Amino acid sequence: NAGVTQTPKFRVLKTGQSMTLLCAQDMNHEYMYWYRQDPGMGLRLIHYSVGEGTTAKGEVPDGYNVSRLKKQNFLLGLESAAPSQTSVYFCASSKTGSGNTIYFGEGSWLTVV
Amino acid sequence: AQSVTQLGSHVSVSEGALVLLRCNYSSSVPPYLFWYVQYPNQGLQLLLKYTTGATLVKGINGFEAEFKKSETSFHLTKPSAHMSDAAEYFCAVSKAGGSYIPTFGRGTSLIVHP
Repeated sequence: NAGVTQTPKFRVLKTGQSMTLLCAQDMNHEYMYWYRQDPGMGLRLIHYSVGEGTTAKGEVPDGYNVSRLKKQNFLLGLESAAPSQTSVYFCASSKTGSGNTIYFGEGSWLTVV
Repeated sequence: AQSVTQLGSHVSVSEGALVLLRCNYSSSVPPYLFWYVQYPNQGLQLLLKYTTGATLVKGINGFEAEFKKSETSFHLTKPSAHMSDAAEYFCAVSKAGGSYIPTFGRGTSLIVHP
């Protein structure tokens, strides 16, 4: 089973460029998430979605936009990349919230120069 | 609001020694509690979770954790560390009932020495 798939795995951007990270899950999960992971900061929630067509802000949403046009896909966009957005990004999904297990993708390494 | 505190950003043990990773939480309602593990250059995967029932929860790879309501803790233990246990460990808390988004701790890096 593929689970949660993220593309691209690695990307280098110049400051001010835009890009989209793609996430797909094949588990028919309702909830999807985008996190960023930075040294010493743990996992921080950027945006999440509790169903197709819905999105909500997480802990660190500034500088990012998301869309969930299809249940299986959750896109994370950077409109104008900044060096502070250099990070490892993880997409994840779960059946719903609360006691359900969250399944993570393998991560996307983004460097903004 | 819910929050998670993991004591110690790094824990170092010798192979064969006891592993103890500490997690304390705050929650205004009964919690659901999780431990996730992240091996180098990989995403997180579930190690174990507590939702209801027995407060001592067993997970994969010989790990277990005990929910102690009076201490608001959910510490992770393993009797004997193995080199392959070296990884980042994250504690997470969610509210029981409803469909709440879990909150993650900052993680503890487990280092295992030969």
